This record gives sequence, C-alpha cells and structure tokens, in this order.
Amino acid sequence: EVQLVQSGAELKKPGESLKISCKGSGYSFTSFWIGWVRQMPGKGLEWMGIIYPDDSHSRYWPSFQGQVTISADKSINTAYLQWSSLEASDTAIYYCARLIPATGTLSYYFDYWGQGTLVTVSS
Amino acid sequence: SYELTQPPSVSVSPGQTARITCSGDALPKQYAYWYQQKPGQAPVVVIYKDSERPSGIPERFSGSSSGTTVTLTISGVQAEDEADYYCQSADSSGPMGVFGTGTKVTVL
Repeated sequence: EVQLVQSGAELKKPGESLKISCKGSGYSFTSFWIGWVRQMPGKGLEWMGIIYPDDSHSRYWPSFQGQVTISADKSINTAYLQWSSLEASDTAIYYCARLIPATGTLSYYFDYWGQGTLVTVSS
Repeated sequence: SYELTQPPSVSVSPGQTARITCSGDALPKQYAYWYQQKPGQAPVVVIYKDSERPSGIPERFSGSSSGTTVTLTISGVQAEDEADYYCQSADSSGPMGVFGTGTKVTVL
C-alpha cells in the first residue's frame, strides 16, 4: 500500500527555521517525483515545487523560489520542505504528494497525498 | 505559470446535477485533472486525463473538455459530495503544474 506520512504540526516564531518531512512507503520512492502543496487558512491549493528523489533534482514555481528549499534523502525514503526564516504568512497546511504521469503521456498529476502538516508561525 | 479559473461556489439539491467549470488558455493543449477535498482531509483525485475515473470513484463523477474549458459533472449529487473541488493542469515543460482557484459545492 502506497503511503506518504508527514511529520507533525509545528508552532514556530517569526524568524525561526523549520524542516518538515514526508516519508514514502509501499512503492519505489526513487522512481516518482514528490511535490509540495501549500494551503493557507481558508484558501485554495498552491503548487510549490517538486523533487525527484533519485537525483534530488528540484523545481520551484517563481513565487516559492528562494523562499523554501525542497530536498530528499533517498536512503530513508524521505522528502523535506524547509524554511530558513519563517514569517507569519507561512502559516498554512503543507501537503506532500506523489506525482504520476497519466498513462501514455508526460502530463503529471498527484495520485497519493500525505495527511498534511500544519505550520503555525506566531509571536 | 498560468491560471485556471473556477466559479467560487456551486449549489445543488440532492439528486440533481452539479457542473463545475475550469477555464484556462493552456487547456486545449494539456490534460486536466480534478480533486475533491473534504474539510480536514487531503485532496483525492476524482478525474484524470480530462475524463477518466480512478478505481473506487463513483460513476456519478465524470469529466469533459471543450476548448479552453473543462467541466466536472456530478450526476445525482449526494450529501457526501459536499466538498471543495480543484482542477489541475500540467505545465508544458515537465512535471510541474497549477491548480484552479477552487469551487465549493454545497448540497442544499
């Protein structure tokens, strides 16, 4: 059974650093892209960026480039999302999800999702 | 990136048909996907490649595409279908993609 299990909720202060995790199991972790998705309180889904765990190649949408870092440790089947200096506007639920190409195409979508990690940034 | 636009809300009575649209300039060239998100839960894909339904998704969910608009149709809406729905499309340069603005479906 494919599973993505994320780390628990975090309460941090502005300016602090943070690294949250997403551990995959039940499939070949190195063979699928992993994406990170932000959902701010009461708002929609935002695609942040992706990583290919086999070689740690990552891509970001411009609004997230430089704001977060996506990494992976394929030896322990885990992807990470990290901040060096949190802001109150980073308060959100963050989901990791597995990307899969639709059959016979190079068009990707998320087929399995983690349970989400709530990050609260408040002084 | 590019934008996908959805109506903020759709209201429907039980047993009726709900139609949710998603518009974007890239849609004639890219497949669309639809996700259902219930409160406090992670999204679940209900339609992929414009109109295909994953195993385990009820037949009342269907998808279609025409030009710059794709549509998710829920036939015979049930109370359990009350949720937020998001379309998603891929970027032409690879595995990246974007989500639509989201539609809240309310079952009256």
